[in-house]
Amino acid sequence: GAVVSQHPSWVICKSGTSVKIECRSLDFQATTMFWYRQFPKQSLMLMATSNEGSKATYEQGVEKDKFLINHASLTLSTLTVTSAHPEDSSFYICSASGTSAEQFFGPGTRLTVL
Amino acid sequence: GEDVEQSLFLSVREGDSSVINCTYTDSSSTYLYWYKQEPGAGLQLLTYIFSNMDMKQDQRLTVLLNKKDKHLSLRIADTQTGDSAIYFCAETSSYKLIFGSGTRLLVRP
Repeated sequence: GAVVSQHPSWVICKSGTSVKIECRSLDFQATTMFWYRQFPKQSLMLMATSNEGSKATYEQGVEKDKFLINHASLTLSTLTVTSAHPEDSSFYICSASGTSAEQFFGPGTRLTVL
Repeated sequence: GEDVEQSLFLSVREGDSSVINCTYTDSSSTYLYWYKQEPGAGLQLLTYIFSNMDMKQDQRLTVLLNKKDKHLSLRIADTQTGDSAIYFCAETSSYKLIFGSGTRLLVRP
């Protein structure tokens, strides 16, 4: 149980375009979802926390207009990178938690912006 | 501030034990975690320890917690090539996970 999926697993896009990444909890209801960013050979940095039906809470230094997060249902959260630029290239990982505080992680999405 | 530190790299021979160390800063962390990340993949929870425990053993994994020194370690017994990965410790701060920098474990045949 407690499986989290992400789609797509990798995406290449042109500079200036927007990219949407989906995070789904497949077998449980995720009241809270988290979005992390991981640069090569570095740790995970929390970008934002979203609760179903509420606006996301962004960490300091994360541009909310750049990284749009929607958590419209208990099984789906989306992260949209708007007007992507090469410096947005990274590995984006989501996690989800339900009734317990444990976070279950998705497999990640590798974004490359040309 | 919140800062979780780990050594960057560890190389061991197959069959030996591996010990990965971590220091954390938030003494109010209720749980401390160890995660494993294989190349190009997400994080897999390996084990966790409650903050009022000193030790937890789970098959080949042993977690030691020294709360006074804010030091956490993960020992992997009989390390196998499949254990090669990056290992992250994490502390909890409110509802958030704060991750260490990760230790890359290389297991030599």
